[in-house]
Amino acid sequence: EAGVVQSPRYKIIEKKQPVAFWCNPISGHNTLYWYLQNLGQGPELLIRYENEEAVDDSQLPKDRFSAERLKGVDSTLKIQPAELGDSAVYLCASSLGTGRGNEQFFGPGTRLTVL
Amino acid sequence: AQTVTQSQPEMSVQEAETVTLSCTYDTSESDYYLFWYKQPPSRQMILVIRQEAYKQQNATENRFSVNFQKAAKSFSLKISDSQLGDAAMYFCAYRSLGPTSGTYKYIFGTGTRLKVLA
Repeated sequence: EAGVVQSPRYKIIEKKQPVAFWCNPISGHNTLYWYLQNLGQGPELLIRYENEEAVDDSQLPKDRFSAERLKGVDSTLKIQPAELGDSAVYLCASSLGTGRGNEQFFGPGTRLTVL
Repeated sequence: AQTVTQSQPEMSVQEAETVTLSCTYDTSESDYYLFWYKQPPSRQMILVIRQEAYKQQNATENRFSVNFQKAAKSFSLKISDSQLGDAAMYFCAYRSLGPTSGTYKYIFGTGTRLKVLA
């Protein structure tokens, strides 16, 4: 069974440029998460989707960040414009749901460097 | 609000020895999950072990076991017979169940870097 797929693995851009990250969850997983992980820190949730609905985006900086999961499968996270402080690893995870016992599976992440 | 604290930024253990990683958390909820995740240098986070708060018995997965002290809000991870492949960042995580889907929370600690010495 394929795991959570993310692309690109690495991205280097100049500040004020836009950037997008893509995530394909494990087949059949209804719940999709985007996390931000700063160097030396644990992941912090940006947004959680239940199918195509964003049910928790309280930590997403909506002035520059946006996300979509149009058909309830793969998802895109966008930053426009990027700032120096956005340099981090962006992790995607998925799970069957949020009920008891539903484990999150993580992708390898996208390392963003903003120059 | 729930918090997760890992007070050991880095730990070292000799190969084949035992090491314990500490984690404390704060919550007013009575039912929740606790997890330990491993993140090797390749960055893919892997679930090591999980504990349901309503279960008194400590979870065990092969060489990995936890010491769950609910009253003390402590959740430590013990790795027995440490192997070179155990070297990684280890994150403690708390997951609330929430009365509704919208109040579900997943909170990670800052991590402990484990070094395994040959």
